[in-house]
Amino acid sequence: DIQMTQSPSSLSASVGDRVTMTCRASQGIRNDLGWYQQKPGKAPKRLIFGASTLDSGVPSRFRGSGSGTEFTLTINSLQPEDFATYYCLQHDGLPYTFGQGTKLEIK
Amino acid sequence: EVHLVESGGNLVQPGRSLRLSCTTSGFNFEDYPMSWFRQAPGKGLEWVGFIRGKEYGGTTEYAASVTGRFTISRDDSKSIVFLQINSLKTDDTAMYYCTLNTVTPQYWGQGTLVTVSS
Repeated sequence: DIQMTQSPSSLSASVGDRVTMTCRASQGIRNDLGWYQQKPGKAPKRLIFGASTLDSGVPSRFRGSGSGTEFTLTINSLQPEDFATYYCLQHDGLPYTFGQGTKLEIK
Repeated sequence: EVHLVESGGNLVQPGRSLRLSCTTSGFNFEDYPMSWFRQAPGKGLEWVGFIRGKEYGGTTEYAASVTGRFTISRDDSKSIVFLQINSLKTDDTAMYYCTLNTVTPQYWGQGTLVTVSS
């Protein structure tokens, strides 16, 4: 199985800050990676697919980058609605696997 | 507009069976692969399995942890995907989500809660 190591597990930041989180794959996965945002009690929402393509309606302050084994999600100018848990998901090989999640909290 | 609505979750005893349904609308159902995911309380997300669309014969793939106990099927005439869960274990307690896959799982239902307890 492809292991996805996501860091940090939690992150404390303020409105207006820029934050970055990382996912590392145990083997190359090309750009077969998505980023998801999940708020408490809600289903995940896809933000990015293909490692760097923003889903329709997702604000441009979200940016995904990377290929192969290392991927990052950057959020510029944090807004109050961005505080949530973020997961990466690889779909290059079966089984699909997620990172452990990064919980973004308000400082 | 795409809609996915899961149902069938319940409190069940270990060893029993349950069938979850995901009723969909807003897209050409038979063309798309559909996945199931789950999330245990307070835990991360786990892929359960998926079923391919009509073009690929509706074949299925499963996570190792559920192979042999879980079965995904689809009714293209009704735009519904099912998850049959047999021999339920306490570790199966989770919110179960169905998704419509476009490149990766894009659209998610609201989830249905399965609680396995005696």
